[in-house]
Amino acid sequence: DTAVSQTPKYLVTQMGNDKSIKCEQNLGHDTMYWYKQDSKKFLKIMFSYNNKELIINETVPNRFSPKSPDKAHLNLHINSLELGDSAVYFCASSLTSLSTDTQYFGPGTRLTVL
Amino acid sequence: QKEVEQDPGPLSVPEGAIVSLNCTYSNSAFQYFMWYRQYSRKGPELLMYTYSSGNKEDGRFTAQVDKSSKYISLFIRDSQPSDSATYLCAMQSGGSYIPTFGRGTSLIVHP
Repeated sequence: DTAVSQTPKYLVTQMGNDKSIKCEQNLGHDTMYWYKQDSKKFLKIMFSYNNKELIINETVPNRFSPKSPDKAHLNLHINSLELGDSAVYFCASSLTSLSTDTQYFGPGTRLTVL
Repeated sequence: QKEVEQDPGPLSVPEGAIVSLNCTYSNSAFQYFMWYRQYSRKGPELLMYTYSSGNKEDGRFTAQVDKSSKYISLFIRDSQPSDSATYLCAMQSGGSYIPTFGRGTSLIVHP
């Protein structure tokens, strides 16, 4: 059973398009996250939701909009895709938003913008 | 200068070697220190977690934190080919939800 799953695994699209990435966790966790890992492997947090409420919104262009329909799901919608958006996007979840709680990562979505 | 510095490697060692992976940081507010392992084309998984200074051991893995030098290490004893992966350090200050990651060190353990 996959704990944190993401779809799609690969996404290739043209500049200017709008796309969505979906994330689901079956761990019963309250907190979910979106991270971006660039080509140099730096992993940076983008957003975090706790019980469907946004608690972290890092310096991310407003073309990126997260949506949490329920505690188990956190989707990421990206408008007007740009070349610089090409990266691997990871979803993660943790029991609560405490620093001490382990974050469990999904397998990643590799986005390529042409 | 980035908040967290980590040599990207690759670090290539023979099977059975002791591996030392390191990170330095500049933010003295960091209190929580983590090591993640990331296999190719997979998400990171938490290996070790340490609060403040000191050592922590888990099987073949030992994490060390020296807050006075702003330096953390991960040691792997009796390294195995299955340890070949990228190891990312991460740090967080108390009360912050936001971890800061190093860029990861690529480790290759050859038989």
